[in-house]
Amino acid sequence: GENVEQHPSTLSVQEGDSAVIKCTYSDSASNYFPWYKQELGKGPQLIIDIRSNVGEKKDQRIAVTLNKTAKHFSLHITETQPEDSAVYFCAAAVGYSTLTFGKGTMLLVSP
Amino acid sequence: DTAVSQTPKYLVTQMGNDKSIKCEQNLGHDTMYWYKQDSKKFLKIMFSYNNKELIINETVPNRFSPKSPDKAHLNLHINSLELGDSAVYFCASSRGQGKREQYFGPGTRLTVT
Repeated sequence: GENVEQHPSTLSVQEGDSAVIKCTYSDSASNYFPWYKQELGKGPQLIIDIRSNVGEKKDQRIAVTLNKTAKHFSLHITETQPEDSAVYFCAAAVGYSTLTFGKGTMLLVSP
Repeated sequence: DTAVSQTPKYLVTQMGNDKSIKCEQNLGHDTMYWYKQDSKKFLKIMFSYNNKELIINETVPNRFSPKSPDKAHLNLHINSLELGDSAVYFCASSRGQGKREQYFGPGTRLTVT
């Protein structure tokens, strides 16, 4: 089955800096790659996703890039703010199968 | 106006007991899911279910069983609880029909003593 590796496990940045979280996947048939943000005590919330027919997608301060050849995708957050502090999860899926999640990255943005 | 709700939010019980967690979604979605999040924050799918098909993760013990009284509800029943069942359990739903975005509930923290 699919295996998703996520790095780093923790990431500390200063407010205003950029943050990058990287994921790799094993199943070349995977074609859907969402990113979720989980704040303390809450459920994960979808923040952005990308499908395999697209190389990059942006939504305000966040962007996701996908390299199908290398089987990796990344989340980029620019101009980080303290409210960006949370655990971020990448995931991958083949077609409409269930999601396989990475192990999460705890992002801490210091004022 | 909560989209996906779960009850209870916290559940403390003793080993060997049987317990249930309820989940309801008011989004009109066709597919619902149960996830387990362990102490290291690892999210793992347990079940996915729509009105036609139940998909069970083969690693889930048969002490866990989902029950769906209707399309908007997917409850999780756990028999003979064990210490290792302590975790946060999340319910989620998606529209299906080509829409893969999943919406998660707030979670139920289960502690088995």
